[in-house]
Amino acid sequence: GQQVMQIPQYQHVQEGEDFTTYCNSSTTLSNIQWYKQRPGGHPVFLIQLVKSGEVKKQKRLTFQFGEAKKNSSLHITATQTTDVGTYFCAGNTDKLIFGTGTRLQVFP
Amino acid sequence: DSGVTQTPKHLITATGQRVTLRCSPRSGDLSVYWYQQSLDQGLQFLIQYYNGEERAKGNILERFSAQQFPDLHSELNLSSLELGDSALYFCASSAGGTTNEQFFGPGTRLTVL
Repeated sequence: GQQVMQIPQYQHVQEGEDFTTYCNSSTTLSNIQWYKQRPGGHPVFLIQLVKSGEVKKQKRLTFQFGEAKKNSSLHITATQTTDVGTYFCAGNTDKLIFGTGTRLQVFP
Repeated sequence: DSGVTQTPKHLITATGQRVTLRCSPRSGDLSVYWYQQSLDQGLQFLIQYYNGEERAKGNILERFSAQQFPDLHSELNLSSLELGDSALYFCASSAGGTTNEQFFGPGTRLTVL
């Protein structure tokens, strides 16, 4: 069946450092969504990418969708303690399959 | 606040029992999704309903069933509970299908003893 993997599983960074999480799907996706889940909270939608090679920015966050529409990345520039949480990609074919998530810890 | 409500917030029960989790979607949303999140695990898609009809199925066990009612609220029934069913169960809703962003409820934490 369709699988969506993310690496790394965990990332600890010093505040101000950059962070990147990578998402890979076993199948070609129609689109990909990204969600953030704060500790003890529920997933919150961040963005959706639809086009091959698409790049979108939200302040310090940059999202990319691969040319083959099978991979994606999220890059955070100059992390802050408010960035702490687990970041999930979710690949869409006929259903939305969530990736394994990357847990980000930011040390002040 | 996402606008999606889930009850109860916490549920503690014993093995072999049956429980029902309830979800009310955001006003106007036709799709409801159920997910299971075990400790330190990702989100496992269970099932999706759209306007009362089952739309997609994920890794939902035969002991689990769900339905969406005419008022669009949904219930997830878990029976013959096992220790491994202990998890956080999220409901999410969206306006249409999976191409729309999903709004998650606060979750129901199920503990099976």
